[in-house]
Amino acid sequence: NAGVMQNPRHLVRRRGQEARLRCSPMKGHSHVYWYRQLPEEGLKFMVYLQKENIIDESGMPKERFSAEFPKEGPSILRIQQVVRGDSAAYFCASSPRTGQGVSYNSPLHFGNGTRLTVT
Amino acid sequence: DQQVKQNSPSLSVQEGRISILNCDYTNSMFDYFLWYKKYPAEGPTFLISISSIKDKNEDGRFTVFLNKSAKHLSLHIVPSQPGDSAVYFCAARGNTDKLIFGTGTRLQVFP
Repeated sequence: NAGVMQNPRHLVRRRGQEARLRCSPMKGHSHVYWYRQLPEEGLKFMVYLQKENIIDESGMPKERFSAEFPKEGPSILRIQQVVRGDSAAYFCASSPRTGQGVSYNSPLHFGNGTRLTVT
Repeated sequence: DQQVKQNSPSLSVQEGRISILNCDYTNSMFDYFLWYKKYPAEGPTFLISISSIKDKNEDGRFTVFLNKSAKHLSLHIVPSQPGDSAVYFCAARGNTDKLIFGTGTRLQVFP
């Protein structure tokens, strides 16, 4: 998992607060993916971004969740007005793909995740 | 709608024996398949992959088999070692860039 940096590793928020999760991709990677893992479940796709552009947000809840990947700085996953059901591990992954297309025989590289606990 | 399924939540194998983890998928557009290994409190680590033009890929103790007609893939670990104890996820990619993951199989290798 070396290379994809996520912080914080652990985040505790009270119901109604905002949570901000940060992800810095591996050097040279221009694409970032966010996944969520609820307790005892698999990883669920949330959103896929490249710099300054959201490519696919089909897995994002319609309300309270947003993501960005600015030209400078890390990708941010923001959860507003958190509820207990948001408690989960949030993983970021990056990919070296530089454009859309079918040449994609490369794996995603994951960070160690942010564990969000909503009290 | 679970497009990638791992029907065995857990598997226990003796050290030195073969571990076989199974995965089924439903989407015929999937053409790239991966296995990830995950330890507690860490992110998934890429293990091995296979594209749909092949039916087998081998890397050391790990071999992945793909049966496209059955929409089934499997991961063989031989010989199994205690350090292999982890949760294993299969994942698939089709005509979009995202990976779709299964729910995972917890492998325990005992001495």
